[in-house]
Amino acid sequence: AAGVIQSPRHLIKEKRETATLKCYPIPRHDTVYWYQQGPGQDPQFLISFYEKMQSDKGSIPDRFSAQQFSDYHSELNMSSLELGDSALYFCASSTGTGGAGELFFGEGSRLTVL
Amino acid sequence: AQKITQTQPGMFVQEKEAVTLDCTYDTSDPSYGLFWYKQPSSGEMIFLIYQGSYDQQNATEGRYSLNFQKARKSANLVISASQLGDSAMYFCAMRVMPGTASKLTFGTGTRLQVTL
Repeated sequence: AAGVIQSPRHLIKEKRETATLKCYPIPRHDTVYWYQQGPGQDPQFLISFYEKMQSDKGSIPDRFSAQQFSDYHSELNMSSLELGDSALYFCASSTGTGGAGELFFGEGSRLTVL
Repeated sequence: AQKITQTQPGMFVQEKEAVTLDCTYDTSDPSYGLFWYKQPSSGEMIFLIYQGSYDQQNATEGRYSLNFQKARKSANLVISASQLGDSAMYFCAMRVMPGTASKLTFGTGTRLQVTL
């Protein structure tokens, strides 16, 4: 069965650079969530989109932006990278309505800022 | 706002034994879903089991069962017959109004180590 696809899986950037992470949800899933998991931490919610509109916003820095496109894939753009942005970034998808409510997670994109 | 509490930072269990990972939650919403995810050292987040707030019976999935005590607001994960491959980080999580575009809130996790 198709799963959530995230790219790239690993990314190394310098401070003050920009990074873009991509997420392709499970087909027919209309909701995408982004989470950031620092070393030894639990995943922290950043932002979510339902039917291409932002549906909720968590602890996402102003330096970060995201959007969901017409094909439902999503991109997380991170600018002016800081050392503290080094983390595992998860994308998850679900159906916005109906179902048991499980979020399906991608394998994550590991960002290292040097 | 919802909150998940996992009070066990780490647990040890012997192979083939059962283990219970604790989770308590807090929410004022009457409709919510409780989830357990496993995160091995490779990093991926693996869904294990789900319990809806209106479900009358405790959820079970193979060796995993969820001990749901609504009045106590607890949703403990029971792993029976532990295997070495169960060694991982385990997160309890909650969504209010599951089936909508609501976010998942995680607890701080419990690291389980299965020993021989």
